[in-house]
Amino acid sequence: NAGVTQTPKFQVLKTGQSMTLQCAQDMNHEYMSWYRQDPGMGLRLIHYSVGAGITDQGEVPNGYNVSRSTTEDFPLRLLSAAPSQTSVYFCASRPGEASGANVLTFGAGSRLTVL
Amino acid sequence: GNSVTQMEGPVTLSEEAFLTINCTYTATGYPSLFWYVQYPGEGLQLLLKATKADDKGSNKGFEATYRKETTSFHLEKGSVQVSDSAVYFCALSGGSNYKLTFGKGTLLTVNP
Repeated sequence: NAGVTQTPKFQVLKTGQSMTLQCAQDMNHEYMSWYRQDPGMGLRLIHYSVGAGITDQGEVPNGYNVSRSTTEDFPLRLLSAAPSQTSVYFCASRPGEASGANVLTFGAGSRLTVL
Repeated sequence: GNSVTQMEGPVTLSEEAFLTINCTYTATGYPSLFWYVQYPGEGLQLLLKATKADDKGSNKGFEATYRKETTSFHLEKGSVQVSDSAVYFCALSGGSNYKLTFGKGTLLTVNP
């Protein structure tokens, strides 16, 4: 089925380790984004991209890097994991603004624990 | 900046009870408003939306009306089912239409 695919679903890291959360969509969506979900905080935007080669920061970008080399993929990198980055991460995409379709499609989430 | 405030949970109801989850917002201009639902272990999915004042979004028996005068978008359902147990998020998209601002979510549990 078409949609947003995130890997891995679960990951445990030690403080200081690095890793990449993968996100891929097959709907030819221009816009992709990463959110983190924490209890009592709702969803907070980390980074987003409006097209290949273009990325920008959201509300909580510190400690995370992104790149967008293709339309399909939008990986999220943690350079040096900290316990404060323990969270559930969601990737979401939508068509470009010109389409008028402003509904996000979410992946199933990646649960990250940093010890 | 934009913000969304929704009622704190958790909310626990018996099957067939009436549901209201309050949502109010602050935004400049004319935002679009959404309710997303997250079932256990899954990502968020759109439940309903409204794009202009007085629009009513509806889906699966849920309804919400965009009230510009009270800056509200309350979610209602006349008779909830056990299968409606989930976390519900109110959200708005305004200004730069790419960014969605979410409320903190309301956990609903429906008991048989």
